[in-house]
Amino acid sequence: RKEVEQDPGPFNVPEGATVAFNCTYSNSASQSFFWYRQDCRKEPKLLMSVYSSGNEDGRFTAQLNRASQYISLLIRDSKLSDSATYLCVVNMGNTDKLIFGTGTRLQVFP
Amino acid sequence: EPEVTQTPSHQVTQMGQEVILRCVPISNHLYFYWYRQILGQKVEFLVSFYNNEISEKSEIFDDQFSVERPDGSNFTLKIRSTKLEDSAMYFCASVFSGELRQETQYFGPGTRLLVL
Repeated sequence: RKEVEQDPGPFNVPEGATVAFNCTYSNSASQSFFWYRQDCRKEPKLLMSVYSSGNEDGRFTAQLNRASQYISLLIRDSKLSDSATYLCVVNMGNTDKLIFGTGTRLQVFP
Repeated sequence: EPEVTQTPSHQVTQMGQEVILRCVPISNHLYFYWYRQILGQKVEFLVSFYNNEISEKSEIFDDQFSVERPDGSNFTLKIRSTKLEDSAMYFCASVFSGELRQETQYFGPGTRLLVL
């Protein structure tokens, strides 16, 4: 089983739509969780950290379910500029390396 | 906003040649990392570096790879004898310290390495 698993997509959605991405991780000892955004041929950039209580940042909401080892990202009111690859990233806690999923590609069209 | 910088942005080299990729981490950061991303694949951890020594390395980081912090600002990744499969985007990242596992790793823009 992959350490971090994501649906590669692509998700093609119209502007204004709500879209949700899911991610599962295999190691129950994982401690920290993040969503990064990566534009084509660019570096990953932190979108948001994911906390057990769930957290929201504007149009973005992240949820963590430790029992199911599942992380989600919800984007409301999609903008053209949201088009990118969204990377689910996990840290085990006993190490500082980040473990990346393969990413989910989002394409928002007018 | 402070940022991680990397040079060169692109490097083309012949198989068997040595390459050095350079990174300048954010100035007050203490932990440094190299990751790579082969085209179309996920970002993979290579090595972490703290207090002038490697703190962790992955299976990818074999004897052909080395890292160094030659002065107070640069952090370098050397590949001694490049192979075709080393072609990838190489990202440097840094983090301050403290609650390490919770802190954001800031990534540089990457060096695209092409081995011919």
